[in-house]
Amino acid sequence: GESVGLHLPTLSVQEGDNSIINCAYSNSASDYFIWYKQESGKGPQFIIDIRSNMDKRQGQRVTVLLNKTVKHLSLQIAATQPGDSAVYFCAERKTGNQFYFGTGTSLTVIP
Amino acid sequence: DTAVSQTPKYLVTQMGNDKSIKCEQNLGHDTMYWYKQDSKKFLKIMFSYNNKELIINETVPNRFSPKSPDKAHLNLHINSLELGDSAVYFCASRLGTPSSPLHFGNGTRLTVT
Repeated sequence: GESVGLHLPTLSVQEGDNSIINCAYSNSASDYFIWYKQESGKGPQFIIDIRSNMDKRQGQRVTVLLNKTVKHLSLQIAATQPGDSAVYFCAERKTGNQFYFGTGTSLTVIP
Repeated sequence: DTAVSQTPKYLVTQMGNDKSIKCEQNLGHDTMYWYKQDSKKFLKIMFSYNNKELIINETVPNRFSPKSPDKAHLNLHINSLELGDSAVYFCASRLGTPSSPLHFGNGTRLTVT
């Protein structure tokens, strides 16, 4: 399943499928980007990050893709599990070490 | 445990009161932040602070003030609370290196009645 980030704040996927969460960022000068996962009642947790001099970075079951031309960031989650259900945020670092967050996408994994 | 910790977890108070939320990090980080999360889950930066510089988001009312007694603490004071201040407030910290992410506390849910 795939979200369109700011315009589609919810995403439902079947367990075992791959998920793609999208984010459009605002500042072409932003040089560092982070994906966070927020579960109910908790603070945002770091998932993966990427610097602007990279196009792709992989972690365990997660991949972040950065397209600077269109200012777009995506998070791919492989073999989505029920424990992946949460709200996902992208964040960009602007000048002065200020981090700005996207609207967030709520991911629901259907068993 | 190494962490960013906030107290209290829940805060219920009446309009017009003054309240404080405390934040401590034992991660040895240089910079601390306060964020406000509204009912639609939008995370908005309020302040960032290190021992050299306080940056205030221009949309934050001056009723809100951060106070840092030392590098490991950044408390949030709120004067004359209003209904619209109801939200979840998150403290975060990070190292001062370029590719260092934010580490968040678990939030303080403030309800103003």
